[in-house]
Amino acid sequence: EVQLVESGGGLIQPGGSLRLSCVVSGFTVSSKSMTWVRQAPGKGFEWVAIIYSVGSTYHADSVEGRFTISRDISKNTLYLQMNSLRVGDTARYYCARPLSDDFSRASFDIWGQGTMVTVSS
Amino acid sequence: QSALTQPASVSGSPGQSITISCTGTSSDIGGYNFVSWYQQHPDKAPKLLIYDVSNRPSGVSNRFSGSKSGNTASLTISGLQTEDEADYFCASYTISNTHVVFGGGTKLTVL
Repeated sequence: EVQLVESGGGLIQPGGSLRLSCVVSGFTVSSKSMTWVRQAPGKGFEWVAIIYSVGSTYHADSVEGRFTISRDISKNTLYLQMNSLRVGDTARYYCARPLSDDFSRASFDIWGQGTMVTVSS
Repeated sequence: QSALTQPASVSGSPGQSITISCTGTSSDIGGYNFVSWYQQHPDKAPKLLIYDVSNRPSGVSNRFSGSKSGNTASLTISGLQTEDEADYFCASYTISNTHVVFGGGTKLTVL
C-alpha cells in the first residue's frame, strides 16, 4: 500500500530547530519527486519545498536559507530540517507526492496526514 | 489570504448537486490547464479528486467532476451523499516561482 507517515512536529520556541520525517511505503523515495506542503491554522495550503527524483532541491522563498529538504534512501524517508523557526512557520506540515515527476502539473496524488509544528514562546 | 479564492462554505441535501468555485488569475488558473481538487475529512490526509482541470484518478467516483472557464475553476459533486461532508480545496500551477498555489478551502455540509 502506498502510504506517507509524517512525524517530528511539536512545540518549539522561536529561533529553534526541528526535523520532520516522512516515512514512505509502497514505493522508493528516490524514484519519485517529493514535496513538503504546509497549512497554517485557518489558512490555505502553501508549498514549502521539493526534492526531484534526480536529487535536486528547491525551496519556497519564505523558507529559503532556513529549511532544507532531503531524503535517506536506506530508510526510505523524506526529511525537512527547519532552522531559525519563526512564529509564522506555525502550521501543519504534510509530505505529498507530485502527480508528475517534474511537478509541471502542480498536483499531488498521495498525501500524509501531516504533523503539527507550533512556534511560540 | 490565499492566492485562489473559494467560498468558505456550501451546503446541500442528499441527492442534490453542488458546485464549488475557485477563482484565480491569468497567471494561474486562466493560463494553464493544471487545476486540481482535493477532499479532506477531519484529521485525514487530503485525497486527490480531480487533476488537469477535469481528469479523475482511478477509484474516484464519477459523481465528482471538474471544469474551468477563464480564471475560474469549478468542482461539481452530483448525487450528494452524507460521506461527502468534508473540506474541499483547489490548487493550480502558477507562473510564479512557487509553481503551485492553493485555495483557502470550502467546507461542504450535507444537510
